[in-house]
Amino acid sequence: GNSVTQMEGPVTLSEEAFLTINCTYTATGYPSLFWYVQYPGEGLQLLLKATKADDKGSNKGFEATYRKETTSFHLEKGSVQVSDSAVYFCALRGSGGYNKLIFGAGTRLAVHP
Amino acid sequence: DGGITQSPKYLFRKEGQNVTLSCEQNLNHDAMYWYRQDPGQGLRLIYYSQIVNDFQKGDIAEGYSVSREKKESFPLTVTSAQKNPTAFYLCASSMGRGLNTEAFFGQGTRLTVV
Repeated sequence: GNSVTQMEGPVTLSEEAFLTINCTYTATGYPSLFWYVQYPGEGLQLLLKATKADDKGSNKGFEATYRKETTSFHLEKGSVQVSDSAVYFCALRGSGGYNKLIFGAGTRLAVHP
Repeated sequence: DGGITQSPKYLFRKEGQNVTLSCEQNLNHDAMYWYRQDPGQGLRLIYYSQIVNDFQKGDIAEGYSVSREKKESFPLTVTSAQKNPTAFYLCASSMGRGLNTEAFFGQGTRLTVV
């Protein structure tokens, strides 16, 4: 079945450091891929998405490229801020069934001044 | 403003009680979902509904029930049969179930059994 695997956290960085959070997936066909962010005590917000191979999603300085050859969708940001501290979820929506949205376990990011 | 409203934000339940979590959306979305989130885990799907008066079990439906009498509303009842109900519950909606359709989430309800 479809699944998403994320790197375990927490990831701890200093402000202005480079961020990478790894995400790989298993899916049949051609899924769409998403990154969501969850701030403490809140629901999830869509950060970016990509719907086909080689697409790059971007938002608020974050980027992720849909790599079908490596089944990956790694999240990157060139210079993190304290306000980026949150939990980040990689997700996919694949064909089959009712096109269920499947989430990874989440990666907690802590950015220190 | 369009969005999804969950209430209450915090809920306490005694052992053996049923409780109902509210979820309302004004986005005119057809599909609605309930997820459960436990510490260190991803979101697990409890129930989903693609249209009014129709809903389907997700991966962990045991001990939960839902209804979808109106397009805007998708309440979740946590019954006494749910053995470990303490968790953070998230409601979501989407325009449909197309592959590139993202889900929009409410702010969540934290349920604690006391």
